[in-house]
Amino acid sequence: AQRVTQPEKLLSVFKGAPVELKCNYSYSGSPELFWYVQYSRQRLQLLLRHISRESIKGFTADLNKGETSFHLKKPFAQEEDSAMYYCALRGSGTYKYIFGTGTRLKVLA
Amino acid sequence: EAGVAQSPRYKIIEKRQSVAFWCNPISGHATLYWYQQILGQGPKLLIQFQNNGVVDDSQLPKDRFSAERLKGVDSTLKIQPAKLEDSAVYLCASSLGGIQNTEAFFGQGTRLTVV
Repeated sequence: AQRVTQPEKLLSVFKGAPVELKCNYSYSGSPELFWYVQYSRQRLQLLLRHISRESIKGFTADLNKGETSFHLKKPFAQEEDSAMYYCALRGSGTYKYIFGTGTRLKVLA
Repeated sequence: EAGVAQSPRYKIIEKRQSVAFWCNPISGHATLYWYQQILGQGPKLLIQFQNNGVVDDSQLPKDRFSAERLKGVDSTLKIQPAKLEDSAVYLCASSLGGIQNTEAFFGQGTRLTVV
């Protein structure tokens, strides 16, 4: 079965501290993995995708196929990073998009 | 480019009433998704269209929910009759589709309250 698991509902860190939002997935095949972000009063939007291997707003995520994980990391958190973060999986073939339950990141001053 | 448009933004109805939501995807996007997001949970896929055909509706409660995408552009999602547990934000998203164009673009959502 396709599943995306985000174990933390809430993660609070101080400004300047490192951040790691965890994501594990279950999928038989080769999915694409994404992180989406929702800032307050804004729509859900793409943050980054594993295929691009890029850093967006200082965030990076590495796909670990052995551990079926796609954790989101940032070395120094900023207050403007406070938002809801969703890990998502897009299946090959049907392109079905599945989301995790989300992690609320709060960056404290 | 114009984003995904959804209407209405908010809707309050009594249980057992019917309601319909409308979505206009980004022009040219072949894939359209409807999600249900209950408070405190992640978006749950209800139905996925590729052009005007249904790709996946395995989690759509078909006894009360229906959706269509006539002409492969706009889409409507209907609930009839509504239950209290249908209170949620209903999100529409679209994507160009295919192997390369993987990003999903979301609308602002419709917040439904069933009382």
